[in-house]
Amino acid sequence: DIQMTQSPASLSASLGETVSIECLASEDIYNNLAWYQQKPGKSPQLLIYYASSLQDGVPSRFSGSGSGTQYSLKINSLESEDAATYFCLQDSEYPPTFGGGTKLELK
Amino acid sequence: EVQLVESGGGLVQPGRSLKLSCAASGFTFSNYYMAWVRQAPKKGLEWVATISTSGSRTYYPDSVKGRFTISRDNAKSSLYLQMNSLKSEDTATYYCARHLLASYVMDAWGQGASVTVSS
Repeated sequence: DIQMTQSPASLSASLGETVSIECLASEDIYNNLAWYQQKPGKSPQLLIYYASSLQDGVPSRFSGSGSGTQYSLKINSLESEDAATYFCLQDSEYPPTFGGGTKLELK
Repeated sequence: EVQLVESGGGLVQPGRSLKLSCAASGFTFSNYYMAWVRQAPKKGLEWVATISTSGSRTYYPDSVKGRFTISRDNAKSSLYLQMNSLKSEDTATYYCARHLLASYVMDAWGQGASVTVSS
């Protein structure tokens, strides 16, 4: 199975700041990488698919990049509603596997 | 609006069975692969099962293969997960999810059904 190592496990940032979250795959996943946002008590919401394609309705301050084994999610101009846990998912190879998650707290 | 509503969760003893259901609406259910994904308390996400549009193909990780069975009824726009020989490590919130076309990525999720396996 492809292992997805996500970092950092948690981070704290201020409103208006820009943050990045990383996912490292154990092998090349050919841009088959998605990002999800999950708020406490809620189900995950798809933000980005195929590494950099923005899901309909997702604010443009979210962006994804990367290739090969290294991918990142960038959130510009943090807003209070961005406080959540973020997960990556590789769907390059069966079985699909998730990263461990990054908990983003707003100062 | 796409809606996925799970039901059937609860408390069950180890070794027993439980069946989850998911009622879909707001899209043409029969056109989409569907999945179950679980999340243990305070833990990450784990894909549990996927089923093809017709139901003829199913996919599972090793952790549940042989114990869990995913099925669907396109006439009722419903998805199911039959869970047998339950273990304490199966305790989780189980989400019904829709796959993006031609992808394992899930683009719509239900609110989740809680399953607790304990004596």
